[in-house]
Amino acid sequence: GQNIDQPTEMTATEGAIVQINCTYQTSGFNGLFWYQQHAGEAPTFLSYNVLDGLEEKGRFSSFLSRSKGYSYLLLKELQMKDSASYLCAVRDSRDSNYQLIWGAGTKLIIKP
Amino acid sequence: DVKVTQSSRYLVKRTGEKVFLECVQDMDHENMFWYRQDPGLGLRLIYFSYDVKMKEKGDIPEGYSVSREKKERFSLILESASTNQTSMYLCASSGSFERQYFGPGTRLTVT
Repeated sequence: GQNIDQPTEMTATEGAIVQINCTYQTSGFNGLFWYQQHAGEAPTFLSYNVLDGLEEKGRFSSFLSRSKGYSYLLLKELQMKDSASYLCAVRDSRDSNYQLIWGAGTKLIIKP
Repeated sequence: DVKVTQSSRYLVKRTGEKVFLECVQDMDHENMFWYRQDPGLGLRLIYFSYDVKMKEKGDIPEGYSVSREKKERFSLILESASTNQTSMYLCASSGSFERQYFGPGTRLTVT
């Protein structure tokens, strides 16, 4: 079957670093996405990985290991506005219609 | 910037009513999607469309139908609303091998 696992909730302190993990089991693989979603709002795109390694974008970085079926999102210098849910999604390469398989999301709580 | 708009942010309907949710995108995207999102369950795909007049069922199509008569517009229809369809409904669009862009969402309450 196809499955994506993320922790349900994490707590971190303002100014610190947090790593949100995502593991996946899919029939094929054609890219992994991270989205941020503030409460009551739509998801917004953060990052995309299709090759192994680390992609850095300012305070946010995303890592992928295809052989391990594993990704993480690293958030540095945490700010209160980073309190949100973080969604991991995988595109299955066998799917020709560009669907994504979504994890349930990780709710990140930032404390002062 | 890509813009995806949805017809309503909040909607309250009665059980048994027919409900229309509309989504419009302005980037000439081929693919459009309707999801519902419930606490603890993440995004669940209801239907998607990869071309005008083409549609495919997602994971939870029961109780829903869709219409795509024009490329920019994708409508979700609840034929006879029920209380278990109370949810946040999100529309998204994407080009080929691109990320999905989301609309602001419609929070539907069925009483």
